[in-house]
Amino acid sequence: EVQLVESGGGLFQPGGSLRLSCAASGFTFSDHYMDWVRQTPGKGLEWVARIRNKANGYTTEYAASVKGRFTISREESKSSLYLQMNSLKTEDTAVYYCTRSPVNIGPSDFWGQGTLVSVSS
Amino acid sequence: DIQMTQSPSSLSASVGDRVTITCRASQGIANYITWFQQKPGEAPKSLIYAASILYSGVPSRFSGSGSGTDFTLTISSLQPEDIATYYCQQYRTYPFTFGPGTKVDIK
Repeated sequence: EVQLVESGGGLFQPGGSLRLSCAASGFTFSDHYMDWVRQTPGKGLEWVARIRNKANGYTTEYAASVKGRFTISREESKSSLYLQMNSLKTEDTAVYYCTRSPVNIGPSDFWGQGTLVSVSS
Repeated sequence: DIQMTQSPSSLSASVGDRVTITCRASQGIANYITWFQQKPGEAPKSLIYAASILYSGVPSRFSGSGSGTDFTLTISSLQPEDIATYYCQQYRTYPFTFGPGTKVDIK
């Protein structure tokens, strides 16, 4: 059974940092690109970042709203995905989803349940 | 960035009705569009990619069509379990962008 389990969310202060984790299981992690997508009631769904697999050089893409503040990474030995979030802003408040994207298809085909990040003083 | 719009923003239909949702891209995206279903309190579920290809396990009453800038998601016979919000997303160009969603409920 495919599973993506996010963790690391909570309440954080503006200007602070946190790291989200996503534990993947039930599929070949190395055959997939991985993405973070966030959702807020006001702005809807927003794609945040992508990391390609080893065969594609672990290259990354970011939304302009997070570039320079967030870093996506992956650890193959643990089948885990991470999102390091620095210089937090109140507008980063959202549910963050980890998603997988088969290399030969492109878009996300499976989503985790999400973790809520709240940024407030 | 490519802007994605959806219409209608919400609709009510009867069980068994044919339901059509439209998604429009601000520029041509070939067939690089995917559709998601999200039920209240749940994570999105992927339905269709490449405009018209159903993911494994998705009921055949769902179908997608279109190319370029105009796309449709059709539910051929609405079922009670289809109550959800439906989103389109383009993956032709970074940043990937989503439509605002169409909420579907039962009349």
